[in-house]
Amino acid sequence: AQSVTQLGSHVSVSEGALVLLRCNYSSSVPPYLFWYVQYPNQGLQLLLKYTSAATLVKGINGFEAEFKKSETSFHLTKPSAHMSDAAEYFCAVSDRGYQKVTFGIGTKLQVIP
Amino acid sequence: DTAVSQTPKYLVTQMGNDKSIKCEQNLGHDTMYWYKQDSKKFLKIMFSYNNKELIINETVPNRFSPKSPDKAHLNLHINSLELGDSAVYFCASSLDGYNTEAFFGQGTRLTVV
Repeated sequence: AQSVTQLGSHVSVSEGALVLLRCNYSSSVPPYLFWYVQYPNQGLQLLLKYTSAATLVKGINGFEAEFKKSETSFHLTKPSAHMSDAAEYFCAVSDRGYQKVTFGIGTKLQVIP
Repeated sequence: DTAVSQTPKYLVTQMGNDKSIKCEQNLGHDTMYWYKQDSKKFLKIMFSYNNKELIINETVPNRFSPKSPDKAHLNLHINSLELGDSAVYFCASSLDGYNTEAFFGQGTRLTVV
């Protein structure tokens, strides 16, 4: 069974600083990997996804993530944090069959002015 | 136009009652899901339907019964509500359930008192 581990339930960064949200996955087969963002009182919105094409995936709002098989990681980064990036971020994994997506516990990103 | 819409947005009810949450998507997707997000923001899949057919049925009490009258609608009926059912319930849809992006509704916050 696949799973994801998000390191750090809360991350604080200063506005303009690098954002790094960590995600490690466990899967017996090559996985599909996703990052979703949830703003307060909203549903989840897809930021980006990895489906075995390029290992560096670019998403919306300036975010990107790199798939590293050797480290079983899919960390999310953004060079410069903006106040509007404050939200909950979820890493997710699914196998390559019918999509049963398993979500991580989420990381709350706080951006300090 | 809202892509995935759920009603109601808030639902407060007493233990033992029966309630329904409705979900509709206007994206033309074949697959729809119900997720439960608990107070710690942990998100877990409950059900998925593909073109009105039940595909995923996780370990959910049989008090929860999904119904899909057509592929654009997936409703969730809950019998004999318990305090532990309090959570945010999200409906989502995806094109075909295979590695495609899931679009989430805004959620229904259910509070059982």
